[in-house]
This record gives sequence, structure tokens and C-alpha cells, in this order.
Amino acid sequence: QLVLTQPPSASASLGASVKLTCTLSGGDSNSAIAWHQQHPDKGPRFLMKVTSGGGHIKGDGVPDRFSGSISGAERYLAISSLQSEDEADYYCQTWDTGIRVFGGGTKLTVL
Amino acid sequence: EVQLVESGGHLIQPGGSLRLSCAVSGLSVSDNCVSWVRQAPGKGLQWVSLIDGGDATYYAGSVMGRFTVSRDSSKNTLFLQMNSLRGDDTGIYYCARDTGINGWTDLWGQGTLVIVSS
Repeated sequence: QLVLTQPPSASASLGASVKLTCTLSGGDSNSAIAWHQQHPDKGPRFLMKVTSGGGHIKGDGVPDRFSGSISGAERYLAISSLQSEDEADYYCQTWDTGIRVFGGGTKLTVL
Repeated sequence: EVQLVESGGHLIQPGGSLRLSCAVSGLSVSDNCVSWVRQAPGKGLQWVSLIDGGDATYYAGSVMGRFTVSRDSSKNTLFLQMNSLRGDDTGIYYCARDTGINGWTDLWGQGTLVIVSS
């Protein structure tokens, strides 16, 4: 059974960098991951898909400040030069044939 | 520009039925895989259902046997028929384009709110 675990909250200062984590269990540690961003009272937005080899497919208009990586069971979303508009909920997503699984989400606060 | 626009959500009593629609523009629903994902108030995203470019459909265990996903290719629209609704079905329902039957979500609609309450 595919499960993704995310810490419920994270915080970092304006202009700093942050790395959000997502832990995969029950699946292939080499599998890719997708990340989505959701601002309050808005629909989610696709940020990127990241492969274990480091390849990225980004959504439209996603800044270069956003990047992803995979190490073992850990999936990471890194955001550099934090801006106020980066304050949002972030969800990781994994998949298999005919199934989609989301992590519980991390609420990022920009201080 | 590709757009997915959901509609049909409203207040419904427990045990009732509701049909949500997802009108798609900019791509053909017959050639694409589309998911329904819901979000309970103050909670995270939960995948509900998926229909692929053929006729294959898939469901989360919590809605299996109660929800049915379908499409009308002539209207380029997808539907989610929801029966035997319960309070824990309350939430915003999003339709979302997936990159394939074994792929990720790369485009979201704006959502439609379903409230199941007496």
C-alpha cells in the first residue's frame, strides 16, 4: 500500500531557503514524485514532477527557485529565496496504474 | 489554453445523490486520463476516482460502489455520479488531468463544493 508522509508544518524566513520532505512507504524507492502547491481558498497548482535520476518536468510559470530531489524513501521540494507568495500548502503525490496517492500536506509559513 | 471547470456541487441530505460535471476545453476527454480529487474542510487532498482514455475506471475504496465516473465525448465533459452520500463526502471536488493511466496530475480545475448535511 502506497503511503506518503509529510510533516504538517514548516517555516522559514523571507529570502531564506527551505526543504520540504515527503516520505514514501510501500512503494519503489526509485519511483518519481509530483509536487503541488495550494494557496488558501484556491485550487491546487501542479509544480513539478521529479524522477530519481534528478529529471524535472515543471508546470507552467514555476520559478527556478523551486526544485526537487529524491534520496531513498525521501522526496524533497526545495525553495530558495523565499517570497511571501510561497506561503501555501504543499502536497506530494505518487501513483501506480489506476491509483493516485497524496501526502497529507505541509503548511509552509514564510516568516 | 486547457481548462477544466467543475459544476454541480451543492447542499444535499445524507443518503442523497448528486452528479458533478467537469467541462473541459483545450483537450479531448476521449484521449486523456482524468481524476476526481476531493478535499474535506481544513483537510488534505484525497484521490477519489480516475477514468482513462479508454473505458477503464478506478475508485478509492471509500467510494467504491457508491460513485461512478463517466464521460460524454460529444460535450467534452466528465461526470461524477455520487450516490448514498454521507457526511464524510463533504468537501471541494476537483477534476484534474493526469498524464496517463500510470502518471501524475499536471492540471487542476477550480473545484465545486459539496455539502452533505441534514
